Amino acid sequence: SQTIHQWPATLVQPVGSPLSLECTVEGTSNPNLYWYRQAAGRGLQLLFYSVGIGQISSEVPQNLSASRPQDRQFILSSKKLLLSDSGFYLCAWTTLETQYFGPGTRLLVL
Amino acid sequence: AQSVTQLGSHVSVSEGALVLLRCNYSSSVPPYLFWYVQYPNQGLQLLLKYTSAATLVKGINGFEAEFKKSETSFHLTKPSAHMSDAAEYFCAVSENTGFQKLVFGTGTRLLVSP
Repeated sequence: SQTIHQWPATLVQPVGSPLSLECTVEGTSNPNLYWYRQAAGRGLQLLFYSVGIGQISSEVPQNLSASRPQDRQFILSSKKLLLSDSGFYLCAWTTLETQYFGPGTRLLVL
Repeated sequence: AQSVTQLGSHVSVSEGALVLLRCNYSSSVPPYLFWYVQYPNQGLQLLLKYTSAATLVKGINGFEAEFKKSETSFHLTKPSAHMSDAAEYFCAVSENTGFQKLVFGTGTRLLVSP
């Protein structure tokens, strides 16, 4: 069966520091991968999606970037974090018409 | 462009009472519709989905939803609420095409009192 992992689970970072969040999927090949952000009290905002290695589409201009160095690995990065980057970051993958989500990473920028 | 509206950011029910969470969508093409549940500090779990088959969809944990094209609605119901149903619920829509991009509603927090 398919499994999706995210780490770290929780992260506290100072403003201006770099960021790297990792997502990996097991049990499938060539998945579509997604990064979402959920701010406190708000819905989910799609940040990036990828249909293959090295193929990244950005949905919202922002302080973040994404990369897909391997088929089942999706990384969310920032060179300098802003306070507004705080939130709950969720990775997801698609099989047919359904998206399945990872456990999430809670990021607090101070 | 697609959109989803969830009426009521919070819904409170008593244990054993009917649960009704509302979702209306907008889509220019036949949609796929989804309900997800999120427990505190966890990812989203798929409750049920509509993909142009039966309009009444049954999901996990006793939940079901009915697709009503004329009303552009996909409301989530459960006959009898349990304390364990307390969570945040998200409705989402995607186009019935090859690549899936979900558009989510802002969520409804379900509170269940004893």
